[in-house]
Amino acid sequence: DLQMTQSPSTLSASVRDRVTITCRASQNVSNWLAWYQQKPGKAPKLLIYKASSLESGVPSRFSGSGSGTEFTLTISSLQPDDFATYYCQQYNSYWTFGHGTKVEVK
Amino acid sequence: EVQLVESGGGLGQPGGSLRLSCAASGFTFSTYTMSWVRQAPGKGLEWVSTISGSGISTYYADSVKGRFSISRDNSKNTVYLQMNSLRADDTAVYYCANSQWLVAAFDMWGQGTKVTVSS
Repeated sequence: DLQMTQSPSTLSASVRDRVTITCRASQNVSNWLAWYQQKPGKAPKLLIYKASSLESGVPSRFSGSGSGTEFTLTISSLQPDDFATYYCQQYNSYWTFGHGTKVEVK
Repeated sequence: EVQLVESGGGLGQPGGSLRLSCAASGFTFSTYTMSWVRQAPGKGLEWVSTISGSGISTYYADSVKGRFSISRDNSKNTVYLQMNSLRADDTAVYYCANSQWLVAAFDMWGQGTKVTVSS
């Protein structure tokens, strides 16, 4: 089974910090990789698709990179609204989510 | 405006059944792939099932294969998840989501419906 491993599981950061989250796939998923943001009690929201394409309406401080088995989500300058949990998802072979990275206040 | 509204959640008995519905609006429903994703209390997201726009192709996670069935009624802009042989570990919030193709990210999500399996 294809596994998605995110790191770290928790990240403590301050406003205006540059934040990077890593997602590794156990098999090559090409660039069929998405990133979602979820806040407590809310549905996930699509941020990035096809590894590096920014979803319409998502602030440009969010960016994605990578291909194959290693991917990153970067928030260039963390804003108060960005404290949330972030999930990667591969959709090359069925659909698999990573376990999530919680970005919390330092 | 794209809207996905789930319903049908509630308390289910172990071994029992529930049927979830997701009513869609604001897009051409029959051309979109629809999926169900669940989230157990305090846990991460788990893909459950996906159905193609025509309804011909369906896909299931191993954890629900043989127990859950996904279907859609394009005349009613609604996708369903029939959940049979319920187990305690099916307890979760269930979200429906849409995507433009089978190989695509999940664009829009509903607000979720809570399912609790307990005697």
